[in-house]
Amino acid sequence: NAGVTQTPKFQVLKTGQSMTLQCAQDMNHEYMSWYRQDPGMGLRLIHYSVGAGITDQGEVPNGYNVSRSTTEDFPLRLLSAAPSQTSVYFCASSGGLPIAEQYFGPGTRLTVT
Amino acid sequence: AQTVTQSQPEMSVQEAETVTLSCTYDTSENNYYLFWYKQPPSRQMILVIRQEAYKQQNATENRFSVNFQKAAKSFSLKISDSQLGDTAMYFCAFMNWDQGGKLIFGQGTELSVKP
Repeated sequence: NAGVTQTPKFQVLKTGQSMTLQCAQDMNHEYMSWYRQDPGMGLRLIHYSVGAGITDQGEVPNGYNVSRSTTEDFPLRLLSAAPSQTSVYFCASSGGLPIAEQYFGPGTRLTVT
Repeated sequence: AQTVTQSQPEMSVQEAETVTLSCTYDTSENNYYLFWYKQPPSRQMILVIRQEAYKQQNATENRFSVNFQKAAKSFSLKISDSQLGDTAMYFCAFMNWDQGGKLIFGQGTELSVKP
């Protein structure tokens, strides 16, 4: 049972490049989420999903796309990277109520130059 | 919209002593969950403790306990017998009961435990 896995762990992009951050979970969780962590701001929700085929925007969705074709995977796409997207990205999953606890992946540190 | 505020950016405590981290939140909802997460230098997010709003009893997990004041919208974390391994960033987080997958985090408190 690997829990929540994220790849890559580190990435450097040039402005304007695109890439996909991968996230997978093997706990059959219905809920999956993407957060970004910036100094002094805690974690902020980018997008989330309540099940395969269903996604919704969080607090800071601009510049990011998601899709959820399977229960296990929830990739985050950066369409045209900008320096403002330099951050640490976390993927999380949860089995929903009444447990509610979110399990987090190890994070991806992304630098956009 | 819900908000979570942690007003202590940094705190320090001597090993074996007790420390309390503060958290306040704003919501018009009646049913929700509150969490404290720990983030050590490894960057991994680790759940410390969870509180359901409908429960009047304060949650405890070994050396960690909370003081949940629903009317005051306050949710503080007490760490007893602090250990060096407690050194980490601590985040308070809120989730509506019917919005699984949507955590709202505070800004974090960086705790240093000194020998």
